Amino acid sequence: GENVEQHPSTLSVQEGDSAVIKCTYSDSASNYFPWYKQELGKRPQLIIDIRSNVGEKKDQRIAVTLNKTAKHFSLHITETQPEDSAVYFCAASRYGGSQGNLIFGKGTKLSVKP
Amino acid sequence: SAVISQKPSRDICQRGTSLTIQCQVDSQVTMMFWYRQQPGQSLTLIATANQGSEATYESGFVIDKFPISRPNLTFSTLTVSNMSPEDSSIYLCSAGVNTEAFFGQGTRLTVV
Repeated sequence: GENVEQHPSTLSVQEGDSAVIKCTYSDSASNYFPWYKQELGKRPQLIIDIRSNVGEKKDQRIAVTLNKTAKHFSLHITETQPEDSAVYFCAASRYGGSQGNLIFGKGTKLSVKP
Repeated sequence: SAVISQKPSRDICQRGTSLTIQCQVDSQVTMMFWYRQQPGQSLTLIATANQGSEATYESGFVIDKFPISRPNLTFSTLTVSNMSPEDSSIYLCSAGVNTEAFFGQGTRLTVV
């Protein structure tokens, strides 16, 4: 089955700096890679996703890159703000977000210091 | 988008008892999913629930311990049976709408 590795487990940056979180996956059939943000005590919220036919996707300060050959994908947050502090999870699926289960990485706790 | 509501939001239960968690989606969905998230940990898929068929369980999870119902396209329940302290966790339901997976707010279960 699919296995998703995520690192680092914790990341501390100064406000305004960039943050990068990396994930690798094992199943070459996976074709959907979402990133979720989870604030303490709250539900995971999708912040960006990418499909295997695309190499990069951006949404304002957030971007995700995918390297299918190497089976890794990364989350990039630019101009970080204190409200970006949360746990971020990457995930992978063969079937897409609505049709199949998601296999999650272990999470990265991001702290943005003002 | 989708609104997913779970009940109860939290509960404290005695060991050996069972708890049923309800999940309601505000639109019809083909598949619903149940996850477990232990404190400070990631989300682990328990099972996938399709309407009109038996749920499909992931390795390490069995129907006798986590029976699931899916009576219609907007509702599902997960029962945690014969609970032990090791079952203390957050249980989340999820459903896909369009291309996105949405999550309920979770049920925080403590077994004493």
